[in-house]
Amino acid sequence: DQQVKQNSPSLSVQEGRISILNCDYTNSMFDYFLWYKKYPAEGPTFLISISSIKDKNEDGRFTVFLNKSAKHLSLHIVPSQPGDSAVYFCAANPGGNEKLTFGTGTRLTIIP
Amino acid sequence: DAMVIQNPRYQVTQFGKPVTLSCSQTLNHNVMYWYQQKSSQAPKLLFHYYDKDFNNEADTPDNFQSRRPNTSFCFLDIRSPGLGDAAMYLCATSRLESSYNEQFFGPGTRLTVL
Repeated sequence: DQQVKQNSPSLSVQEGRISILNCDYTNSMFDYFLWYKKYPAEGPTFLISISSIKDKNEDGRFTVFLNKSAKHLSLHIVPSQPGDSAVYFCAANPGGNEKLTFGTGTRLTIIP
Repeated sequence: DAMVIQNPRYQVTQFGKPVTLSCSQTLNHNVMYWYQQKSSQAPKLLFHYYDKDFNNEADTPDNFQSRRPNTSFCFLDIRSPGLGDAAMYLCATSRLESSYNEQFFGPGTRLTVL
C-alpha cells in the first residue's frame, strides 16, 4: 500500500526554467511533509519541509506547496541549475516522531 | 562537521555468509534508523532505536538483526544474506523532539551478494 506516491519517475528541465516535482498521499493523518534530495552514491539530504497548517514554504530557490484537500504537494525549483540534477524524494509523517513514509522518488535532470 | 558515517561504503559478500554494516553519528541524536533501498524504490524502514529502545518493523525478516551499543554507534547484521538482500543500506538519525522527524542520512553501504 503506497501511501506516498511520486508518479513521475523522471523529469528533464532546461537550465534556468522552473522544475515542478509532484507528490500525492493517501493518509489523511499525515501532518508533516519533507523533501529530500539524493545524489548518486550519497545518502538523501533534507531540502525543505512544510506542516499541514501552511500551504506554502519558501527557502531560496525552493518552494513547497501543500494542497491538503487534494492530498497533493509540489516542489518548485526556480531557476533550475545543473547542480539540481538528482533524485528527489517526498516523505510524510503524522507528527509525534512517527516514522517517515517515503515516495519512490523522481529523477530530475537539468539540461544545460 | 557533525555527520552520519557508514562503513564500509561497498560490501561484497557470498550467499549465506554473515555480514555486518556499521553506522556512527556525531550529531548526538537519540533516534537511529536502518533503511533498505532497492533501485527505483522508496527507502524501506527495517528498524529504529529510541535511545536503546529497539523497534522492529513488522515485515522486517528475521535474517536482519541490529545492535546499538551506545548513542553513537549502530550495527546491522545480516545473518544469512540472500540474493534478494542486495541493496543500498541507509542509516539515519533524528532528534526525538522533532515534530517533522527530519532525519539525517549517512552515505549508505551498497551490499552485493554473490
